[in-house]
Amino acid sequence: GQQLNQSPQSMFIQEGEDVSMNCTSSSIFNTWLWYKQDPGEGPVLLIALYKAGELTSNGRLTAQFGITRKDSFLNISASIPSDVGIYFCAGLKTDRGSTLGRLYFGRGTQLTVWP
Amino acid sequence: ETGVTQTPRHLVMGMTNKKSLKCEQHLGHNAMYWYKQSAKKPLELMFVYNFKEQTENNSVPSRFSPECPNSSHLFLHLHTLQPEDSALYLCASSQDWPDATGTNEKLFFGSGTQLSVL
Repeated sequence: GQQLNQSPQSMFIQEGEDVSMNCTSSSIFNTWLWYKQDPGEGPVLLIALYKAGELTSNGRLTAQFGITRKDSFLNISASIPSDVGIYFCAGLKTDRGSTLGRLYFGRGTQLTVWP
Repeated sequence: ETGVTQTPRHLVMGMTNKKSLKCEQHLGHNAMYWYKQSAKKPLELMFVYNFKEQTENNSVPSRFSPECPNSSHLFLHLHTLQPEDSALYLCASSQDWPDATGTNEKLFFGSGTQLSVL
């Protein structure tokens, strides 16, 4: 299957710091999505990106669809304790010869925020 | 509350047991999914149903048996599982199967069932 390389694997930061994480692939994707998973819960969609170069914000979160369409970035500004969780990137692409899409997930970035 | 409800939240079973996981979505979606989440690994797609028809089976062992009686309900029947099957099993739904235009790509996940096989 397609591999999405998500980094870093984990981050330990202090409250108030900014956070950056990214997702890269050797394949081109049509759509990039970022999810957050709180402990004991399922992933929740944060941001969806549809065009190369697109920059979209959701509160303190900002995500970008890379120009090459092979990567995406997520930034969190002024982190707070409730930002703790696992952040997943996901890329949507169509299989060869098909109009149907398939979603591929990264391994996740575990974020810990110290007060 | 994502509109996708999974039960039970936790399940411990022996290798000879038979159990079922249940998922219900209240979003009016047509596509439903089972994912397996293991530590340090990407989410693994197991099964997809679109309009109650199974459209994907990602080489999942036969000890996992899905059932989709209607577009709002999805079950995962488990029997003779192995300890390595211990994981978080997530149900998700989307309006329809994602396509090349980038629509229907938003998955809504349930809280998952944490399964431990002894």
